[in-house]
Amino acid sequence: QVQLVQSGAEVKKPGASVKVSCKASGYTFTNHGISWVRQAPGQGLEWMGWISTHNGNTNYAQKFQGRVTMTTDTSTSTAYMELRSLTSDDTALYFCARLGGGWYHGMDVWGQGTTVIVSS
Amino acid sequence: DIQMTQSPSSLSASVGDRLTITCRASQSISNFLNWYQQKPGKAPKLLIFGASSLQSGVPSRFIGSGSGSDFTLTISGLQPEDFATYYCQQTYNTPPTFGQGTKVDIK
Repeated sequence: QVQLVQSGAEVKKPGASVKVSCKASGYTFTNHGISWVRQAPGQGLEWMGWISTHNGNTNYAQKFQGRVTMTTDTSTSTAYMELRSLTSDDTALYFCARLGGGWYHGMDVWGQGTTVIVSS
Repeated sequence: DIQMTQSPSSLSASVGDRLTITCRASQSISNFLNWYQQKPGKAPKLLIFGASSLQSGVPSRFIGSGSGSDFTLTISGLQPEDFATYYCQQTYNTPPTFGQGTKVDIK
């Protein structure tokens, strides 16, 4: 079945970096872009950015520009999100999500989420 | 950025109720509006895309409507599994922004 499986929980110290993976299966990876969305404890959903799995083009939310890098490995159908210079405000549940058939079709498949805790 | 405002922020309802959640965009977004359901600790689930198109596998009691800047999600005949938080999202342009969410709990 179509699914996205994310890497496990991470605990990081302030100033460190984290890299979360998102492995796709059950569909042609390069046919659908991947977005990353995060959710701080008790808060709403925040879009971080998007990567084209076809050509690697990216579009990052201004808030994360310079601090986030999204990449893909088409040989393993895996997307990655690296966030640097972590602070306690980055403590959140991080999701990858597939674009359905383009932006009009919304994010139709989601990973299970990866908890990132930033604490000294 | 386009701001998305949902109302109400929370509501209490009973099984079998019909309820409506509204979402307003700060500018026209045509029908680039999606609705998601999220349960605690779980990933969001796409219910409606394109303002009114039902995502495959989603029960027909979920109905989306609207265009331009005003949208609604109606749940006809609330079921126990529908108690959750609902988010609207515009994908008219980037960044694709979400509403703040509407929490539906049991009365």
